Amino acid sequence: ETGVTQSPTHLIKTRGQQVTLRCSSQSGHNTVSWYQQALGQGPQFIFQYYREEENGRGNFPPRFSGLQFPNYSSELNVNALELDDSALYLCASSLGQGLGNEQFFGPGTRLTVL
Amino acid sequence: AQSVTQLGSHVSVSEGALVLLRCNYSSSVPPYLFWYVQYPNQGLQLLLKYTSAATLVKGINGFEAEFKKSETSFHLTKPSAHMSDAAEYFCAVTPGNFNKFYFGSGTKLNVKP
Repeated sequence: ETGVTQSPTHLIKTRGQQVTLRCSSQSGHNTVSWYQQALGQGPQFIFQYYREEENGRGNFPPRFSGLQFPNYSSELNVNALELDDSALYLCASSLGQGLGNEQFFGPGTRLTVL
Repeated sequence: AQSVTQLGSHVSVSEGALVLLRCNYSSSVPPYLFWYVQYPNQGLQLLLKYTSAATLVKGINGFEAEFKKSETSFHLTKPSAHMSDAAEYFCAVTPGNFNKFYFGSGTKLNVKP
């Protein structure tokens, strides 16, 4: 059974650029959630996708957007990058709609915005 | 509004001593509550979760937590700390409609030999 994988592991961008982060969910899981973890803080919920549709969103602006594909993998897109977007981005997969089920986390993508 | 507060950003215990990590929550609807652990440069791993069944929840690695509605608390305990328990611990809550998820700011546990 393959766990949650994320790519790339590290990324450096400049302010104003756009970035796409990728996540492959654990086998059999149909739900993917994304989190932003700034240095020294707890993860902040960005949004969740269930069966290719957004199914819950945290307090993030529209320049944070996502996709889920038929194989349940997912992308997080961030437009017009700001310095404060520098963080570890975590993807988690689970089975079933909603956030009450156990989430399995990937190792994260470290994004640095210069 | 929903939120999670973890008291103490750093906790230090001796090996073999009791571990107590504090978590208080606020939720306008009956919540599910979770404890996750994060080792350096790794993702988060679920320790245990409360889902409105038994108020005392047992998790992996000897950890347990008790849901106390009157105190809005969900503190994490382990009777005897091991060196391998050194990590950062996060309390989290999702309200009953399960479309949001809130983590606390985390507590780093240091275990001294």
